[in-house]
Amino acid sequence: AQKVTQAQTEISVVEKEDVTLDCVYETRDTTYYLFWYKQPPSGELVFLIRRNSFDEQNEISGRYSWNFQKSTSSFNFTITASQVVDSAVYFCALSEAGTYKYIFGTGTRLKVLA
Amino acid sequence: NAGVTQTPKFRILKIGQSMTLQCTQDMNHNYMYWYRQDPGMGLKLIYYSVGAGITDKGEVPNGYNVSRSTTEDFPLRLELAAPSQTSVYFCASSWDRAKNIQYFGAGTRLSVL
Repeated sequence: AQKVTQAQTEISVVEKEDVTLDCVYETRDTTYYLFWYKQPPSGELVFLIRRNSFDEQNEISGRYSWNFQKSTSSFNFTITASQVVDSAVYFCALSEAGTYKYIFGTGTRLKVLA
Repeated sequence: NAGVTQTPKFRILKIGQSMTLQCTQDMNHNYMYWYRQDPGMGLKLIYYSVGAGITDKGEVPNGYNVSRSTTEDFPLRLELAAPSQTSVYFCASSWDRAKNIQYFGAGTRLSVL
């Protein structure tokens, strides 16, 4: 069965600290996609990244980076030098090829304190 | 480009009332979805559609109905509102199965009292 676990319910950091949000997934498929979304206090969900199961390259986008490891079924998200604007709930999601339905984790609330 | 538009943004219903949550997308996406988000939980899929005239149930369809008469619109109907349907509802759309990046509306916050 498919499952996404975000064990960290809430994380608080001080501005400029680095922070890693964990995401562990379960799937029996060999072809699948992983996503991260950001939900700021305004409520909308903003797409951050998609990664397919055949691409284990790490991704860096500015202060954001993602570490995909199939061996541990993890797709972790790191924010370097966090800023107050990074305060949001972050969701990890899994989609198996051919289903186009997402399975969401329960989200991690990140609070960045000034 | 408006993307995915949901109306209304907020609504309070009495138990037993009915209402329709509207969702429109202008990206010509084939796939559309309705989710509900309860506090401290992830999003749960209510219904989805793979194209005009085709809909299917998600994880939590009870108490809801949908229709998809056009590519652009995917309304969600609550027939007899219950307190358990108090939630934030999100509509999303995606281009195709291969990419499957879902784009979300701003959400509708519904309270049933």
